[in-house]
Amino acid sequence: DAGVIQSPRHEVTEMGQEVTLRCKPISGHDYLFWYRQTMMRGLELLIYFNNNVPIDDSGMPEDRFSAKMPNASFSTLKIQPSEPRDSAVYFCASSGGLLDYSGNTIYFGEGSWLTVV
Amino acid sequence: GENVEQHPSTLSVQEGDSAVIKCTYSDSASNYFPWYKQELGKRPQLIIDIRSNVGEKKDQRIAVTLNKTAKHFSLHITETQPEDSAVYFCAREGTYKYIFGTGTRLKVLA
Repeated sequence: DAGVIQSPRHEVTEMGQEVTLRCKPISGHDYLFWYRQTMMRGLELLIYFNNNVPIDDSGMPEDRFSAKMPNASFSTLKIQPSEPRDSAVYFCASSGGLLDYSGNTIYFGEGSWLTVV
Repeated sequence: GENVEQHPSTLSVQEGDSAVIKCTYSDSASNYFPWYKQELGKRPQLIIDIRSNVGEKKDQRIAVTLNKTAKHFSLHITETQPEDSAVYFCAREGTYKYIFGTGTRLKVLA
């Protein structure tokens, strides 16, 4: 398996623009997580899905952030409008949950490095 | 609470020495504790994990110990090498999600 695939890897955008980050989880994994990483706040869980259904979005910072998972192989994280304080690395991760042979390990994508100027 | 406390936040050791990172938690229901290594500019990657039914697990130069009674677990790296320099995160499995510690920046001095 190719692992968790994220795009874009790097994005620089102007304040006020819409940003869409994309993720393809590992095939067969039924949990998908979106994390944000900054120096100040470390790894923050924004939202996670189970079987395409959002389970917990309490980490989403504000209404400017939204996430969807229209099918088992694709998820998006959208920021509209973007602000400079949204600059961070956004990681998507997936897990097989209880069905995964290795237990409940989660696997991270390479991350999307977002800079809002 | 939900959080995982991780210490120290930074750690410098001489090459060849050992490094120990400790995490504590409060939710006694946690049964799975992974450790991730994140090199500069890279994604966090699993290096070792432990389940609550064992007290210690080793994989070459790294080991993890778990004390469920005291609710703490530790990562031990022996014979450290420059390539061990990275940020290490502990985590615990929460209710259908994973809670990470704040990370330890390990620097191995040659």
